[in-house]
Amino acid sequence: GAGVSQSPSNKVTEKGKDVELRCDPISGHTALYWYRQRLGQGLEFLIYFQGNSAPDKSGLPSDRFSAERTGESVSTLTIQRTQQEDSAVYLCASSARDRERRNYNEQFFGPGTRLTVL
Amino acid sequence: AQSVSQHNHHVILSEAASLELGCNYSYGGTVNLFWYVQYPGQHLQLLLKYFSGDPLVKGIKGFEAEFIKSKFSFNLRKPSVQWSDTAEYFCAVAPGGFKTIFGAGTRLFVKA
Repeated sequence: GAGVSQSPSNKVTEKGKDVELRCDPISGHTALYWYRQRLGQGLEFLIYFQGNSAPDKSGLPSDRFSAERTGESVSTLTIQRTQQEDSAVYLCASSARDRERRNYNEQFFGPGTRLTVL
Repeated sequence: AQSVSQHNHHVILSEAASLELGCNYSYGGTVNLFWYVQYPGQHLQLLLKYFSGDPLVKGIKGFEAEFIKSKFSFNLRKPSVQWSDTAEYFCAVAPGGFKTIFGAGTRLFVKA
């Protein structure tokens, strides 16, 4: 597609329920990132995937959070037993590898999923 | 721990005023540096980036940033702001080029 897409755009759930958020990166982008942005705050790194390497999960706040990625395409972020403090906008971004520098270039962001836990 | 600090959370300027947004990071090695912008109702998008070379980098819409290694800083500047620059600005650092750490953001409001 033309850009990074995320679904759903909005999700309202009850405390204790599980939610699954989806991200479709730009085709050909080998790196994929998930961030959380609480109201009035900056972006909080959650996890990133790069190609076939093991993902960097160092930003996941608890074991209720998990993410998977199928090859170099779709990723899902799952939050189990949601809590009110999980309410935030969850952003996904993807980037292509800069072959010359062997690292990743700018990130392209999706519109985010606004999660509200009642 | 690696961190990015943006000095101002809210900035209000009149049109034609000059802008400087501060950004400092804590990481001693080689870093890639970015400024991203989020206009009202739009996605985050790249404003400019620094990987190596000339420490003064120019981005879109007349923005520029200067990397000062000795000060661990990457401040964003624009000589004359416009109403359309009203947005939230995020400084970001990628130590080693992969995982990216974002600052808390600065909300800029430009009065017409």
